[in-house]
Amino acid sequence: EAGVAQSPRYKIIEKRQSVAFWCNPISGHATLYWYQQILGQGPKLLIQFQNNGVVDDSQLPKDRFSAERLKGVDSTLKIQPAKLEDSAVYLCASSSSSGVSTDTQYFGPGTRLTVL
Amino acid sequence: QKEVEQNSGPLSVPEGAIASLNCTYSDRVSQSFFWYRQYSGKSPELIMSIYSNGDKEDGRFTAQLNKASQYVSLLIRDSQPSDSATYLCAVNSGGTASKLTFGTGTRLQVTL
Repeated sequence: EAGVAQSPRYKIIEKRQSVAFWCNPISGHATLYWYQQILGQGPKLLIQFQNNGVVDDSQLPKDRFSAERLKGVDSTLKIQPAKLEDSAVYLCASSSSSGVSTDTQYFGPGTRLTVL
Repeated sequence: QKEVEQNSGPLSVPEGAIASLNCTYSDRVSQSFFWYRQYSGKSPELIMSIYSNGDKEDGRFTAQLNKASQYVSLLIRDSQPSDSATYLCAVNSGGTASKLTFGTGTRLQVTL
């Protein structure tokens, strides 16, 4: 079974530029998560999708971050404009069930973003 | 603010010893608890989940949960150099829904 796929793996941009990350979850997984992991910290949930609907985006900085999951499969996370403090690894995860508390979340390899 | 606290380490143990990793959480209604291992430059990988008070064993790993004390721990027996990684404690803070809050992780170093 293929795992969660993400691209690109690395991205370097200058502040105020825009960037987009792509995620393809494990086949059949209904729930998709985007996390931000700053160096030395644990992952922080940015947004959670159930199929193509948003379940939780309470920690997403909506003035600059946006995400979509069209057709309930792939997802894209965008930052526009980027700030220095956005430098982090952006992790995508998916889980098979309906987003219940016992779900196991499987993580993709992440995209390492550096903002100069 | 629901919090998950871990000692950042590094925790250094000799090969063959037992490594003990601890985690406390603030949300009393949390029902699900997870331990993820993260190698440097890699993504988190689930190694244990626990939902009920007591111990849960899987190979060399034992997770312990005490909801009254809001405390979760992970024991690694017969530690190997390959166990050297950061261990993230994650607590579900979404009630019946899946919403993980992660600690900052404890870096474990297993020395030869």
